Amino acid sequence: SQKIEQNSEALNIQEGKTATLTCNYTNYSPAYLQWYRQDPGRGPVFLLLIRENEKEKRKERLKVTFDTTLKQSLFHITASQPADSATYLCALGGGGGSYIPTFGRGTSLIVHP
Amino acid sequence: EAGVTQSPTHLIKTRGQQATLRCSPISGHTSVYWYQQALGLGLQFLLWYDEGEERNRGNFPPRFSGRQFPNYSSELNVNALELEDSALYLCASSLELAADNEQFFGPGTRLTVL
Repeated sequence: SQKIEQNSEALNIQEGKTATLTCNYTNYSPAYLQWYRQDPGRGPVFLLLIRENEKEKRKERLKVTFDTTLKQSLFHITASQPADSATYLCALGGGGGSYIPTFGRGTSLIVHP
Repeated sequence: EAGVTQSPTHLIKTRGQQATLRCSPISGHTSVYWYQQALGLGLQFLLWYDEGEERNRGNFPPRFSGRQFPNYSSELNVNALELEDSALYLCASSLELAADNEQFFGPGTRLTVL
């Protein structure tokens, strides 16, 4: 069955450093991958989408890579700030004709001042 | 532009009761999705409605049902509530069917079953 893995342990980093979060998947050939941010008690907020034929995408301090051979996406936040502290979810979709994205459990990022 | 709204914010029920959760999508969005997020778990897809029709359903029992109204708002009904139904229920909307549509989420309804 399809499986999406995100590190369940929180990532703690110092302000100003680059945070790197990982999303691995198996038994899936997605057409796209999305990253969302979720704050406690709130709904996820869309950040970036990258398609299967794209290697990298950037948006301000955010960078996403997508390696369909390794079945992995990396999500980078450069010059991290305490306000970046949140849970980050990856979601895969479009594979096998399915339009509904499948979400990972998310990784908590804590940026210390 | 108003975002996705959900009501109520919190809902407390007892086991065996029924719960009704409501969602209003962003204006112009025809697709509405429902997800369950239990503590420590990822978002689990429940239902997808588009143009008033149920398009897809996740791996949940039939006591989870819903509908979409002509104005594209949606309702999720959970019958015969069980303790494990306690979770954050999220509604999302998007433009008409597309392979990579961004979903816009509401703030959720926190359902607690006692």
